[in-house]
Amino acid sequence: EAQVTQNPRYLITVTGKKLTVTCSQNMNHEYMSWYRQDPGLGLRQIYYSMNVEVTDKGDVPEGYKVSRKEKRNFPLILESPSPNQTSLYFCASSLSSSGGFGEQYFGPGTRLTVT
Amino acid sequence: SQKIEQNSEALNIQEGKTATLTCNYTNYSPAYLQWYRQDPGRGPVFLLLIRENEKEKRKERLKVTFDTTLKQSLFHITASQPADSATYLCALGGAGNMLTFGGGTRLMVKP
Repeated sequence: EAQVTQNPRYLITVTGKKLTVTCSQNMNHEYMSWYRQDPGLGLRQIYYSMNVEVTDKGDVPEGYKVSRKEKRNFPLILESPSPNQTSLYFCASSLSSSGGFGEQYFGPGTRLTVT
Repeated sequence: SQKIEQNSEALNIQEGKTATLTCNYTNYSPAYLQWYRQDPGRGPVFLLLIRENEKEKRKERLKVTFDTTLKQSLFHITASQPADSATYLCALGGAGNMLTFGGGTRLMVKP
């Protein structure tokens, strides 16, 4: 089954404790991205990747890091989480090599709470 | 700055009627526009894509229009059903590789 998986689905952590949210897709998609969704602000893009070893900032990259060492994986790293990073996070992938042009397949989401 | 507006108030309609949702944008010249459906606690699901040179796109009971002069897209669901109740998001993409989403409109279809 074609899908995007994220782990963990739920995470409660404390300020400053480094964490990684994993994202994996099995569709051989070139384009992958991370979004956060907050009430009243909608979905905002954090980082995206056009292909292996190619990443770029989205609208709200501050406080986040990403890497793309393999085509299927695109982990999101919070080096020193803060309470304002409490949010619902989605990973997405797309077949199109022209970036966000193609249909985006979204993962199930990761609900992160930073206390 | 770029702005995408969708009606933040919920749209309530009766089953069988046509639901029409709007997506307006400013300070943007998108090459294409996408519509997604999102159910509570789940990731968005792609519905339709329309390019800047297309006026209208249809898929089963769904229809999307794209007016680059008015800077507006309309999303229609005909013969609406309670199962259509969800939040609908529009997303715009331009020359770059980013996709920018609107805040979404919640649709409630009553039996």
